[in-house]
Amino acid sequence: NAGVMQNPRHLVRRRGQEARLRCSPMKGHSHVYWYRQLPEEGLKFMVYLQKENIIDESGMPKERFSAEFPKEGPSILRIQQVVRGDSAAYFCASSGSLGGYTFGSGTRLTVV
Amino acid sequence: QQQVKQSPQSLIVQKGGISIINCAYENTAFDYFPWYQQFPGKGPALLIAIRPDVSEKKEGRFTISFNKSAKQFSLHIMDSQPGDSATYFCAASRSRETSGSRLTFGEGTQLTVNP
Repeated sequence: NAGVMQNPRHLVRRRGQEARLRCSPMKGHSHVYWYRQLPEEGLKFMVYLQKENIIDESGMPKERFSAEFPKEGPSILRIQQVVRGDSAAYFCASSGSLGGYTFGSGTRLTVV
Repeated sequence: QQQVKQSPQSLIVQKGGISIINCAYENTAFDYFPWYQQFPGKGPALLIAIRPDVSEKKEGRFTISFNKSAKQFSLHIMDSQPGDSATYFCAASRSRETSGSRLTFGEGTQLTVNP
């Protein structure tokens, strides 16, 4: 069991570019969550998805951010037209119907 | 209403000492309180968790104390070791199993255990 896999581990983007972060949940897990961690801060909830559905996106910024979890393939967090304030660590977690909330190792996004 | 406040921000203890980290919450609908340990460059890893129907839970050197009336809970690390040096986060959610539920995190405590 490979756990929650996130890639890339590090991502550098210039201002105005798009960032695509990928998350493959643990085998058997159908719930995916995205969190953002700014330097020296705790994790902030962004969005919760199940296969092909966004269940709770109350933590997502209204503009430039989107997330999907297609029927096949990993969950994607997309940030369009990145700005320096988007620089952070983005963590994905997954859980099954009986719990088992597990985090990946994160993607460190740096906007230059 | 959704906040979880954590203290101290940083903590230094000697090897063999007791590390104590405190958290307070506001939302009485929270019913699951996990603690996570995070090493640099890694994701948070579940350390221990408690539900509000018990006042204490112990797993090895780690103990959670829970005070429902005060809406506070704390992590105690007994016989602290240098390998315990990490950032610790308390969290809370409204689902016992955290399946399909968002976690609200505290701001974290940077623990350093000196040899």
